[in-house]
Amino acid sequence: QKEVEQDPGPLSVPEGAIVSLNCTYSNSAFQYFMWYRQYSRKGPELLMYTYSSGNKEDGRFTAQVDKSSKYISLFIRDSQPSDSATYLCMAGGTSYGKLTFGQGTILTVHP
Amino acid sequence: NAGVTQTPKFRVLKTGQSMTLLCAQDMNHEYMYWYRQDPGMGLRLIHYSVGEGTTAKGEVPDGYNVSRLKKQNFLLGLESAAPSQTSVYFCASGRPSGGAAGDTQYFGPGTRLTVL
Repeated sequence: QKEVEQDPGPLSVPEGAIVSLNCTYSNSAFQYFMWYRQYSRKGPELLMYTYSSGNKEDGRFTAQVDKSSKYISLFIRDSQPSDSATYLCMAGGTSYGKLTFGQGTILTVHP
Repeated sequence: NAGVTQTPKFRVLKTGQSMTLLCAQDMNHEYMYWYRQDPGMGLRLIHYSVGEGTTAKGEVPDGYNVSRLKKQNFLLGLESAAPSQTSVYFCASGRPSGGAAGDTQYFGPGTRLTVL
């Protein structure tokens, strides 16, 4: 079992929908969590970075962490076709080599 | 400012051949990483470096070697390529932040490697 599990989808939604992307993790040593967005044939780019339980908002994006249930989420409001990409969650601890990505969720937002 | 660049972009090898992938960054980052990305597996860390002259193993290091002779460069070597090493390889760099390891990573565009 992977330490970070993510539903690979694919997920297809209409433009304007609220998107919910989720990951679960099993290692209690993970302390910080990130969401990366990866467009086709490109490298991942950081979207959100959270270090504690709770919500963090940035424009249309909200990252949510629940350490008690080991559950992390990314919400996208008013989704746009330009949001179509693969979204990767990542968890890390204080060990530099302990960086674990989920499998990635493929999202398509259709006009 | 080019960010993170990777050379080559594509490569086809025959089983048993060797090659070196080059990663370069111009952001003066201390940390550099090599990942492989396979369908359904996400990104998996191969090796990483926390500074010039240092390297360490990640999750899937077998069959790969790395070197960090210069701060801006991180090389990934395949001594004897196998079909199981067919993948997309990503390099990333970053800097330490507040004691939390692995802060924001900046990724290169990737190298698509096929081993026949």
